[in-house]
Amino acid sequence: NAGVMQNPRHLVRRRGQEARLRCSPVKGHSHVYWYRQLPEEGLKFMVYLQKENIIDESGMPKERFSAEFPKEGPSILRIQQVVRGDSAAYFCASSPPWGDGYTFGSGTRLTVV
Amino acid sequence: GENVEQHPSTLSVQEGDSAVIKCTYSDSASNYFPWYKQELGKRPQLIIDIRSNVGEKKDQRIAVTLNKTAKHFSLHITETQPEDSAVYFCAASISTGFQKLVFGTGTRLLVSP
Repeated sequence: NAGVMQNPRHLVRRRGQEARLRCSPVKGHSHVYWYRQLPEEGLKFMVYLQKENIIDESGMPKERFSAEFPKEGPSILRIQQVVRGDSAAYFCASSPPWGDGYTFGSGTRLTVV
Repeated sequence: GENVEQHPSTLSVQEGDSAVIKCTYSDSASNYFPWYKQELGKRPQLIIDIRSNVGEKKDQRIAVTLNKTAKHFSLHITETQPEDSAVYFCAASISTGFQKLVFGTGTRLLVSP
C-alpha cells in the first residue's frame, strides 16, 4: 500500500515560469491537503480538496496559486509566474473521509532561481 | 483563527536525559493535537497524538499531556537516543470532518551521545 506520492521531489524554475506539483493520495483517501514549509519554519496550511471540489482555500495566496483534484488523476498545485519567495517545500497530505489516518508525502522542494 | 506557539526553538540534551517540548494554542474549540517528527529533508511523521477528551497518552518512551483549561500540551521523550535528533512540530485542529492542522514553529532537538 503506497503512501502519498509527490512528484517531482525537486523542481527548479526560473522567475516567471510556471511550477506544477503533483500529489497522488493514499488509495482510498478522498481528502487532499497542501501545506507549504519555508526554510526553518513550520508547515502552513494552503488548501483542502476533495474530488473535484475545493473545500477550504483560506491559506492559498490570492494570486498565481491554484489547486485542483480532478475525478481522475493526481491533485495538482499550480504556481504561475514564480518568484524567489515561492521557494519552499510543498507537502501534500491525504486522509480518508472520516479524517483519521492523516499521511504526508515526501514533499516537493521548489527552488526559484 | 487558531494560533499555536511552541517552545523551546532548540533543545540540546545528553543521551539518556529527558526532553520536554511545550505548545500553547488559542482556540478553545481545538480538539485534536498531533506531534510530528521531521528529519532533515524528510516528510513530517506522526509520532503521537491526543484528543481533547484525554489528558495524557503514552507510547513507549514518548508521552503527551494536555491541559485544556490552560490550553497547552506537551511532548515528553524519556531516555533520549541520538536517533531522536530531529525537528519536532506540534499542531492543533478542530476536527470537524477534516483536519486543517495549524502547526507550531518547531523545536530542533539535538541528542548528544
